[in-house]
Amino acid sequence: DTGVSQDPRHKITKRGQNVTFRCDPISEHNRLYWYRQTLGQGPEFLTYFQNEAQLEKSRLLSDRFSAERPKGSFSTLEIQRTEQGDSAMYLCASTLDRFGPQHFGDGTRLSIL
Amino acid sequence: GENVEQHPSTLSVQEGDSAVIKCTYSDSASNYFPWYKQELGKRPQLIIDIRSNVGEKKDQRIAVTLNKTAKHFSLHITETQPEDSAVYFCAAKASDTNAGKSTFGDGTTLTVKP
Repeated sequence: DTGVSQDPRHKITKRGQNVTFRCDPISEHNRLYWYRQTLGQGPEFLTYFQNEAQLEKSRLLSDRFSAERPKGSFSTLEIQRTEQGDSAMYLCASTLDRFGPQHFGDGTRLSIL
Repeated sequence: GENVEQHPSTLSVQEGDSAVIKCTYSDSASNYFPWYKQELGKRPQLIIDIRSNVGEKKDQRIAVTLNKTAKHFSLHITETQPEDSAVYFCAAKASDTNAGKSTFGDGTTLTVKP
């Protein structure tokens, strides 16, 4: 068990470009969460999956954002037509079930030029 | 939806003193309350958690207390050390529903002065 891993760790891109992040949860964890964290704030919920089903999406998740977990293992978060306000740390977390604690990855820091 | 407020936003203590961070929540359905420690540039790491069927939990120098009636919970760190310096986040979650998310406070930056 190597923990939750995220790739890339850092992403710098120009405004208007599309970006995609990947999260590999702890194996056998069936719940996977995406959060966004900006400086001085706690993580803000974006969306979560139980296996391959996306069960909840935050209103923060505009139609430029899409997330998938096609085989119930890794997940991707795509942001289309990036804007300055998208600059943040994107954190992924996983849990074994709805009762377990969330284990976070190191995050992907997105910087929009 | 759930709203979690955390105080203070910054806390500075002398090494060896105690530190207390307090959080309040709004949703009575919340029944799981974890605390995370986040060092600069690193992932949030779970340090202690408490479920609503207990009022207090302790793990060495760290303890958490929960008052369900008042909807608040607190983190207590005793005999603080410089390596305790970090940002601490509280969170609240309703585990009994299919809603999976945790709602986080805005964090407390703890500085322990040697």
